[in-house]
Amino acid sequence: SAVISQKPSRDICQRGTSLTIQCQVDSQVTMMFWYRQQPGQSLTLIATANQGSEATYESGFVIDKFPISRPNLTFSTLTVSNMSPEDSSIYLCSVQQGGGGEQFFGPGTRLTVL
Amino acid sequence: GNSVTQMEGPVTLSEEAFLTINCTYTATGYPSLFWYVQYPGEGLQLLLKATKADDKGSNKGFEATYRKETTSFHLEKGSVQVSDSAVYFCALSDQTGNQFYFGTGTSLTVIP
Repeated sequence: SAVISQKPSRDICQRGTSLTIQCQVDSQVTMMFWYRQQPGQSLTLIATANQGSEATYESGFVIDKFPISRPNLTFSTLTVSNMSPEDSSIYLCSVQQGGGGEQFFGPGTRLTVL
Repeated sequence: GNSVTQMEGPVTLSEEAFLTINCTYTATGYPSLFWYVQYPGEGLQLLLKATKADDKGSNKGFEATYRKETTSFHLEKGSVQVSDSAVYFCALSDQTGNQFYFGTGTSLTVIP
């Protein structure tokens, strides 16, 4: 399975600022996914990022708030823009590998917005 | 549409007790089914999977059988350990592999 790293692992940010989260995979993958996990909750898909095309956002998430880059087949970034305390969550990236469609996850970025 | 319904938590068990976490699904066609585990402060790890009816996924003493007739994928372990304390998520990948659905998660605490 793919090995996925994320940076930063955690951060505390001020309201109104932006944070860019990096996701690095040790092998080339077509699809990368960004999720949000609010405290005590399940995962909510933010967007799907394919290399060479615009990310596809789920209902309730917009590009202006969560711009995503996917410059190559092993790397992606998610920016959380103009942050508010409601953005405090764990943000996880994942990739899809294997014949069953399983996804493999990075360790997550724990974001606290004050 | 596709969905996953998971047993509500939290669940607290004594060490060496038997564990069952129920998971049922709604899906068209032939989805793949998964259990993920999230240990405190960590990301999600794939625990086991089953890709077709009657398949049994197993790992680290955990098992789950893909039951198409009851649309279920219940997680079981015969004797839990304190180190099994975590949140467990049931998940489904639709038959295209393009859509992934998570249950709400079940928190398990095992006490010595």
